[in-house]
Amino acid sequence: NAGVTQTPKFQVLKTGQSMTLQCAQDMNHEYMSWYRQDPGMGLRLIHYSVGAGITDQGEVPNGYNVSRSTTEDFPLRLLSAAPSQTSVYFCASTKGTTETQYFGPGTRLLVL
Amino acid sequence: DAKTTQPTSMDCAEGRAANLPCNHSTISGNEYVYWYRQIHSQGPQYIIHGLKNNETNEMASLIITEDRKSSTLILPHATLRDTAVYYCIVRVSSSYDKVIFGPGTSLSVIP
Repeated sequence: NAGVTQTPKFQVLKTGQSMTLQCAQDMNHEYMSWYRQDPGMGLRLIHYSVGAGITDQGEVPNGYNVSRSTTEDFPLRLLSAAPSQTSVYFCASTKGTTETQYFGPGTRLLVL
Repeated sequence: DAKTTQPTSMDCAEGRAANLPCNHSTISGNEYVYWYRQIHSQGPQYIIHGLKNNETNEMASLIITEDRKSSTLILPHATLRDTAVYYCIVRVSSSYDKVIFGPGTSLSVIP
């Protein structure tokens, strides 16, 4: 099992550009989520999904869109990047609400 | 939803036990206590979790007080590789969106 994979590892964007952060898991987990982590802070939940076709907002959803067309993939879209979105983004998956979360290695995003 | 408070930082001598405290005084009956750690900007790694009883696995032990208002993560023989930020979180069993990661405790294991 590869676990949770994220691409790209690093990305530099200009303000106003769009991009998609990819996340995939091969553990057949129903639950997937996206977090962002700013320097010296904990993780904040952006969006999450409890299954294919079902998504919901977390703590800081503004500026981000998600979709879940398959169990394996959960991409995060930035439609118009802003410097405030400079952060490290982590994707996670879990089998159930009380099961452990498995995190990907992260994507480091810099918006100029 | 319960939130947690942890010390900002701690030091521990290599080979000694590291005891990391966590307060969760407003925890509800259906909330689990989870511990994760994050080594140098890698993705967080699960350590252990529990509801009421003490738990032990190959990585650590979790001691939860009888009133469940606090817990302690114990790394029995800390090594330099245990230097990391440790997060104590509580999770509502039926609500996935309520996971809150605070700033955690930065543990430094000293040679």
